[in-house]
Amino acid sequence: GAGVSQSPSNKVTEKGKDVELRCDPISGHTALYWYRQSLGQGLEFLIYFQGNSAPDKSGLPSDRFSAERTGGSVSTLTIQRTQQEDSAVYLCASSLGWDTQYFGPGTRLTVL
Amino acid sequence: DQQVKQNSPSLSVQEGRISILNCDYTNSMFDYFLWYKKYPAEGPTFLISISSIKDKNEDGRFTVFLNKSAKHLSLHIVPSQPGDSAVYFCAASDRDDKIIFGKGTRLHILP
Repeated sequence: GAGVSQSPSNKVTEKGKDVELRCDPISGHTALYWYRQSLGQGLEFLIYFQGNSAPDKSGLPSDRFSAERTGGSVSTLTIQRTQQEDSAVYLCASSLGWDTQYFGPGTRLTVL
Repeated sequence: DQQVKQNSPSLSVQEGRISILNCDYTNSMFDYFLWYKKYPAEGPTFLISISSIKDKNEDGRFTVFLNKSAKHLSLHIVPSQPGDSAVYFCAASDRDDKIIFGKGTRLHILP
């Protein structure tokens, strides 16, 4: 079956603009994660959705960041008023509960 | 506070030799550990995992060792091959919560 997909693959935006990043998880996976990887850095946890539970937002770096997961499937990560330090690769992953995560190819965000 | 630490940002190993990647963790509630491999411009892919009830898990050229008393795990790759050059992430979970990743170790396999 299809893996995790993310769109767009690349996004270039101007400082101050809002961006939306999309993640389509593997069908049936109950858990969905967002991470970001800045240049030379590891995987930074952002937010975690598990079934119908309230999302774990503890990794969101500021209130400019938000995410939704509609119908327990597709998720959108929104960054408002983007800053240059938001430039990174944003990775989405899905899993069946706590099991192995399957990652998408990521969205490379560049804020000019 | 980093709960999963990979203290070596990079490692170079001669082709054919053994690569040993290390990982330390601080949360004693972690009971499931994973290694992921990441090539440039791709998402991480699952490599191998180990449950806390075991101290070793082997899959082909890859073996993960877990030392619970030391809160340490390691990934051994033998023999190392050019295609093993990638960033390796250690991750840990307590099965009730999210998986926590380390910052990764970049492995270079030298010809």
